[in-house]
Amino acid sequence: EVQLVESGGGLVQPGGSLRLSCADSGFTFNNYAISWVRQAPGKGLEWVSSISGSGGSTYYADAVKGRFTISRDKFKNTVSLQMHNLRAEDTAIYYCARTRVSRGWYFDYWGQGTLVTVSS
Amino acid sequence: QMTQSPSSVSASVGDTVTITCRASQDSSFWLAWYQQKPGKAPNLLIYGASTLVDGVPSRFSGSGSGTDFTLTISSLQPEDFATYYCQQTNLFPLTFGGGTKVEI
Repeated sequence: EVQLVESGGGLVQPGGSLRLSCADSGFTFNNYAISWVRQAPGKGLEWVSSISGSGGSTYYADAVKGRFTISRDKFKNTVSLQMHNLRAEDTAIYYCARTRVSRGWYFDYWGQGTLVTVSS
Repeated sequence: QMTQSPSSVSASVGDTVTITCRASQDSSFWLAWYQQKPGKAPNLLIYGASTLVDGVPSRFSGSGSGTDFTLTISSLQPEDFATYYCQQTNLFPLTFGGGTKVEI
């Protein structure tokens, strides 16, 4: 059974940094692309970033480009999202999602999400 | 940009509900649909515009290509009351529609 687990969320001040992690359970993690998708309170879904299975290709939404970095550790079977210079508008639940790339990039399994709150 | 309509719809058990999604540029058949219930992560329903994910009831169907896509829920069941999102899967940045809340 595929089970993605996010960790690392919490309360951070504007301008601060946070590192989210996504770990798998039950599938060959390193064979799949992984993405982060966020959802601000009461709002819709927003794609944040994706990384290919090899880790050689990374993609970012304009809203986070230059501030967030996605990476993967093939030995630990984890994908991380390093977030710097956080803003109030980054407040959201952050989901990691296994990403299929056969007919475009879409998300077939999701974690339960981790809440990031940016506030002073 | 993905424009989804309506933003909400009221329906009854047994009704047929149709949700549309319009892409600002040609997305071919590269579109996915998700269902999200309150407090839960989204759940993939359809990819490739019309391919149903294993285990998803056949009352869900997707159609369309290019810029216009449709999600149809036939014979609405109590567990179908949720918010639905489309997502273009073709180009970065990947983008979602604004969501359609299906309410009783």
